[in-house]
Amino acid sequence: DSGVTQTPKHLITATGQRVTLRCSPRSGDLSVYWYQQSLDQGLQFLIQYYNGEERAKGNILERFSAQQFPDLHSELNLSSLELGDSALYFCASSVPLSPGQGDSNYGYTFGSGTRLTVV
Amino acid sequence: DAKTTQPPSMDCAEGRAANLPCNHSTISGNEYVYWYRQIHSQGPQYIIHGLKNNETNEMASLIITEDRKSSTLILPHATLRDTAVYYCIVRVKAGNQFYFGTGTSLTVIP
Repeated sequence: DSGVTQTPKHLITATGQRVTLRCSPRSGDLSVYWYQQSLDQGLQFLIQYYNGEERAKGNILERFSAQQFPDLHSELNLSSLELGDSALYFCASSVPLSPGQGDSNYGYTFGSGTRLTVV
Repeated sequence: DAKTTQPPSMDCAEGRAANLPCNHSTISGNEYVYWYRQIHSQGPQYIIHGLKNNETNEMASLIITEDRKSSTLILPHATLRDTAVYYCIVRVKAGNQFYFGTGTSLTVIP
């Protein structure tokens, strides 16, 4: 158990639907990161939150959105789902960083992922 | 956005040392080299990281060349459970995001 909890583990839904993936970071971690891993794409960085605020965006589609709540858990919302959105979605968290601290040598702790299948 | 180059696959005999190379010729002076591995669709697992000096922990050793343009991850006594995709990552200077490349698929052979 890495300490990062993702729910649900598996999700099957139809095209055009909307789903919400949830992530609880390790206790004390303020930063949360979302990654998408498709079969042919590898691990793609989507978005980062730090203490409730968006910190960085990667290759996140406009149909996708995320937020981090006061208790630091995060949700990734995927809407108007397409077959190509089928993938593993990972959440990771890291030790607290102060704003602007870009040279931290801390790594990430990943959750076990949510496998999304769009049919 | 990945700034590293790794061989796509490698084999290693069980019990032998596995040496996984990584090129990062454009690395900046304050960027760290990180290694993660992913075992069959599980979440990636942190292995080790370093800046200039060689590093060792209970899982592996990291050897960084003096010019920092390449590094080698060493698993001293590979077991079947070390079969995984290994990612070499350079931390982006301006932020904290990790950009994963395609990694090296290591197969440990009995």
